[in-house]
Amino acid sequence: DQQVKQNSPSLSVQEGRISILNCDYTNSMFDYFLWYKKYPAEGPTFLISISSIKDKNEDGRFTVFLNKSAKHLSLHIVPSQPGDSAVYFCAAAGGGADGLTFGKGTHLIIQP
Amino acid sequence: DGGITQSPKYLFRKEGQNVTLSCEQNLNHDAMYWYRQDPGQGLRLIYYSQIVNDFQKGDIAEGYSVSREKKESFPLTVTSAQKNPTAFYLCASSTNGRAKNQYFGPGTRLLVL
Repeated sequence: DQQVKQNSPSLSVQEGRISILNCDYTNSMFDYFLWYKKYPAEGPTFLISISSIKDKNEDGRFTVFLNKSAKHLSLHIVPSQPGDSAVYFCAAAGGGADGLTFGKGTHLIIQP
Repeated sequence: DGGITQSPKYLFRKEGQNVTLSCEQNLNHDAMYWYRQDPGQGLRLIYYSQIVNDFQKGDIAEGYSVSREKKESFPLTVTSAQKNPTAFYLCASSTNGRAKNQYFGPGTRLLVL
């Protein structure tokens, strides 16, 4: 029973355009959400996070939006760059869970 | 440089063998974690430790064991009881057990011969 879902296994976006990665969750007790970026054969690196008391957090080209009523969050990357090509994991904390609960990831491919 | 190191990068195991994966951090973090990643899957929590000499099972602890004798070290042993050990193993740490952001090591890929 997946508590964090990333329904798009892959996403292809043209360089310079906006990339939007989506994530849904089922556990209403999650109170903190994170996005990690992962290259093949490497560990994930932290990208951006948001607390459940906020609906938006911005850091440079990256913005995370949280819609608590819909149990949905999204990561926007503007403008998309070739180095953004990677697998992006959505993760959630809290809700009585130990550690982080991860989605299956979305492979973002930036086309030149 | 502060960070998390995992060794080896690749590890081969024969059937019926126990193998130990190393994880060391010099970030002075109290909490450490082990995750497993399978192809097309997210990361799943194996074990975690919030403080020295204490650790807890995660979602998929069967067939694994850990120890936390030192703050900076959290080795994971994959025992012969783990029937499907081939995976990418990731170690992470956080400042303490309540901290939400975790820092990951580079990972160890375990292959069964």
